[in-house]
Amino acid sequence: GDSVTQMEGPVTLSEEAFLTINCTYTATGYPSLFWYVQYPGEGLQLLLKATKADDKGSNKGFEATYRKETTSFHLEKGSVQVSDSAVYFCALSESRDDKIIFGKGTRLHILP
Amino acid sequence: ETGVTQSPTHLIKTRGQQVTLRCSSQSGHNTVSWYQQALGQGPQFIFQYYREEENGRGNFPPRFSGLQFPNYSSELNVNALELDDSALYLCASSRQGLVDNEQFFGPGTRLTVL
Repeated sequence: GDSVTQMEGPVTLSEEAFLTINCTYTATGYPSLFWYVQYPGEGLQLLLKATKADDKGSNKGFEATYRKETTSFHLEKGSVQVSDSAVYFCALSESRDDKIIFGKGTRLHILP
Repeated sequence: ETGVTQSPTHLIKTRGQQVTLRCSSQSGHNTVSWYQQALGQGPQFIFQYYREEENGRGNFPPRFSGLQFPNYSSELNVNALELDDSALYLCASSRQGLVDNEQFFGPGTRLTVL
């Protein structure tokens, strides 16, 4: 079945460092890909998404590109802030109204 | 615009008991999906409700059941609670048929089974 694999955490970086969180997926069709963020004590928020190959999703300085050839959707940010500390989930959905399949999440700590 | 709300925030039950969790969908949304998030794990899809009918189910036993009401709010019921049911339960609402059909998540209900 479909699945998402993302890098294990926690990831600890200093403020203004470059961030990459790796994500690969397995799917039978052509899924939409997502990154969700979960801040402490809050629900999941959609950070960015891409719906077809070579699409780039971006939001709040974060970017991820849908790479069909490598089945990847790595999350990047050029300069992280303390406020980016949260848990990040890579996810996919086979169709617009379908369930979302999540990875296990990567906890990110940003030190001032 | 009111977002997705869930109640209660926290709940403690003992093994064998039954629990009901509630979710109010965002205004204009007609679909509710439920997810279970165990500690340190990603959310797992339980089921989805659309037009008051179950519209897809994940790998969860029948003791997990749900309802959707005419106002699109929803309940998740879990019978015969087990220790492994301890988790954060998330509901998400969306509107089927839209080109950009994003699921909006509530803050969750933290269930502890002792």
